[in-house]
Amino acid sequence: QLVLTQSPSASASLGASVKLTCTLSSGHSSYAIAWHQQQPQKAPRYLMILNSDGSHTKGDGIPDRFSGSSSGAERYLIISSLQSEDEADYYCQTWGTGIRVFGGGTKLTVL
Amino acid sequence: QLQLQESGPGLVKPSETLSLTCTVSGGSISSTDYYWDWIRQPPGKGLEWIGTIYYRGSTYYNPSLKSRVTISVDTSKNQFSLKLSSLTAADTAVYYCARGVYSGTYRHFDSWGQGTLVTVSS
Repeated sequence: QLVLTQSPSASASLGASVKLTCTLSSGHSSYAIAWHQQQPQKAPRYLMILNSDGSHTKGDGIPDRFSGSSSGAERYLIISSLQSEDEADYYCQTWGTGIRVFGGGTKLTVL
Repeated sequence: QLQLQESGPGLVKPSETLSLTCTVSGGSISSTDYYWDWIRQPPGKGLEWIGTIYYRGSTYYNPSLKSRVTISVDTSKNQFSLKLSSLTAADTAVYYCARGVYSGTYRHFDSWGQGTLVTVSS
């Protein structure tokens, strides 16, 4: 079964960097994922597509501070030079034949 | 610039059927490069995919909702729609429409509507 696992919460200081993790279920380590950001009381926003080799393509207007990397079944979203507006929920998303799957989301707090 | 706008009632009674429409502007719903999706988010919870439709009418649904969901497309109006039947309080959520990429092996969402809150209550 295709499942994405995310830690419920993370925190980091203003100006620092943070790495959020999304783990693919067993047997799906080659899958690409997408990252989405949801700021408080707003609709989600597409950030990037992230491949198993770590290559990634960002959506229009996404700052350079956002990047991605991969290792095995893990997919990472790295945010550098954290700003207050980065405080948000972050969701990973993937797909199989006829199905789309979201992770449970990580709530990022900027201290 | 692509825009997606959900419309429909904000309050629906239990056991009734929810009907929502997503109007697409700034792009064609008949593009061969995209699917069109519905996603929902119960208050304080995460995102749940409901289903998707291609402009030709082919659909896929979340297995957990499949028996209650119908998604349709009207290319003449550049709209697609969601019907969800036999509603209960558990269907209370913000409902989003989104554009899904259909390119190579990619099937991710790259544009979202602003969402509409639907409350199921008598």
